[in-house]
Amino acid sequence: GENVEQHPSTLSVQEGDSAVIKCTYSDSASNYFPWYKQELGKGPQLIIDIRSNVGEKKDQRIAVTLNKTAKHFSLHITETQPEDSAVYFCAAGYSGGGADGLTFGKGTHLIIQP
Amino acid sequence: DAGVIQSPRHEVTEMGQEVTLRCKPISGHDYLFWYRQTMMRGLELLIYFNNNVPIDDSGMPEDRFSAKMPNASFSTLKIQPSEPRDSAVYFCASKPDRVYRGAFFGQGTRLTVV
Repeated sequence: GENVEQHPSTLSVQEGDSAVIKCTYSDSASNYFPWYKQELGKGPQLIIDIRSNVGEKKDQRIAVTLNKTAKHFSLHITETQPEDSAVYFCAAGYSGGGADGLTFGKGTHLIIQP
Repeated sequence: DAGVIQSPRHEVTEMGQEVTLRCKPISGHDYLFWYRQTMMRGLELLIYFNNNVPIDDSGMPEDRFSAKMPNASFSTLKIQPSEPRDSAVYFCASKPDRVYRGAFFGQGTRLTVV
């Protein structure tokens, strides 16, 4: 089955700086890579996703990159703000053949220092 | 839309008791997922349904766990008998179709078995 590794487990950055979270996956059949943000006491919320036929996707201050050959993908947050503090999860899955569940990384606790 | 609705939000029960968690997916979504979140194991997929039919239950830890989806607007996850190691946050999620779309999570049910 799929195995997703996520690093770092904790990331502390100064407000206004950039944050980068990295993930690797093992199953070359995975073709869908979402990122979720989870705030305390809430469920994970989808913030951005990327398909395997795309190398990069951007939405305002967040961007995701995918390297299929190396089987790794990253989340980039620029101009970080206090409200970006949360736990971020990457995930990998195969969409389109019956196996529609996602395998999640262990999460990164992002702390934005004022 | 109210999003995915789970009940109860918190459940405390004694070991050996039966526990039933409930989920109402977003209207029109074809897929429903049950996840379990713990500090040690992160987010784990337990089971998912497509059009009310269980597709993959390989993540269900033991026979003590069972899930049903009697109609498109309701699902239950039952644990009988419950054990302290079942203590976790259980999330229900749904998504609209099988093609490249992330799942929407509920707020979760925090289960404590004493």
